[in-house]
Formats: sequence, C-alpha cells, structure tokens
Amino acid sequence: ETGVTQTPRHLVMGMTNKKSLKCEQHLGHNAMYWYKQSAKKPLELMFVYSLEERVENNSVPSRFSPECPNSSHLFLHLHTLQPEDSALYLCASSQAVPVTGELFFGEGSRLTVL
Amino acid sequence: GESVGLHLPTLSVQEGDNSIINCAYSNSASDYFIWYKQESGKGPQFIIDIRSNMDKRQGQRVTVLLNKTVKHLSLQIAATQPGDSAVYFCAENRGNTGFQKLVFGTGTRLLVSP
Repeated sequence: ETGVTQTPRHLVMGMTNKKSLKCEQHLGHNAMYWYKQSAKKPLELMFVYSLEERVENNSVPSRFSPECPNSSHLFLHLHTLQPEDSALYLCASSQAVPVTGELFFGEGSRLTVL
Repeated sequence: GESVGLHLPTLSVQEGDNSIINCAYSNSASDYFIWYKQESGKGPQFIIDIRSNMDKRQGQRVTVLLNKTVKHLSLQIAATQPGDSAVYFCAENRGNTGFQKLVFGTGTRLLVSP
C-alpha cells in the first residue's frame, strides 16, 4: 500500500466513449502526476499538478484532459481515444515540485481502447 | 531527446548471486537519480536514490553507484532472491531552474531462478 489509490484498475472503452480515471493520495503531498506506461517504452510524463495548478503539460493530445480539484485528488478525463492510447496509466505524488524525493506511485489503471 | 537508457533488457541470475543493473544518462546537469522496482501488476516502487554530490550509496542489500565522468549509474543487488524478480528503472531528475522532472529509462527485467 503506497498511499496512492487509483480507480478503476481496468477499463475497456470504445473510441467514442467518455470515461475518467481517478487518483487519490493519502500522503499529504502537494504534487500529483499522470504517467503513461506502454509496452517497451519508458514511462512518459503526461501532466503535473502542484498545489492544484498545472505546471507541466507534456505535449499530450487534447483527448486527455486532467483535473485536480484539490491536492489529494487527480482525474484524467478520456474522450474519443485511439487504440494506440491503450496503456497503463500511473498516478504518482510527491511532497513537492521540483522533485527532491521519491515519487509514490499508484498501482495503475490498465486502459484498453477498442 | 530523452536518453536515459538501460544497457540490457533482461538479466537472468541464480538465487544467491549478486545482480548488477546498469543505466546510462546523457544530461550532465542532472543532479538526482532514483532506482525503481516494478513488479507485475503493480506500480513502480522506490528502491534507492543518490544525489550527484555522491558516488555511492548503500541500502539494505542494494547499492547504487554513480559515475559522473561517464554518466553511468548502476544498481547492485546482493544475494538476489526470487522476490527480486521485477523490472528495474533508473530515473534522472532533469532540469536547471523552475520545474524539474524525472525522466525514466526503458527498464531492465531481472529474472531470478531458484
């Protein structure tokens, strides 16, 4: 148990669906992250929030829309995704940005786009 | 481009052996490095970190070595156990001012045979 909880753990959606991934951290951290993990590719940073403000948007397509209503919760809204978006989406948190200590990762949400 | 990479995609060892996992990085300005372990179906988990003002750091059964001259990082695991089987990632904290981000390598799979 890392203190970072992601739901759902598995999601299958069609290209026209709208769905959301949820992340919650119980660590009192101020920064939260979305990473994408595809087969045979490095972990790719997608978004970073610090104190509920987005500080990094790493050239992510607009079909991915993040939301951070407070420092404990982070969402990734998904709309009209492509099959190549199928991947493991990992949420992480850290005490602060810039990263001066470890990232705490959730278990991930495995997304399959049909 | 992003260039934190690992030399070997898969490392197979016998239980009780010592394991060495290597990582090359390209940004000489990176000042902080972390090793993560990712077991099947789980998110990455922090193992050990090292700052650029050090060349060696030891943990429980693990040692990280940093050679800034050749921009090389290694993770040594003593008396490797079957529970050490996982994918291991190195990450560098890259950035000079303002926002810094962790850049991950592609990962090395460690297989430990009983």
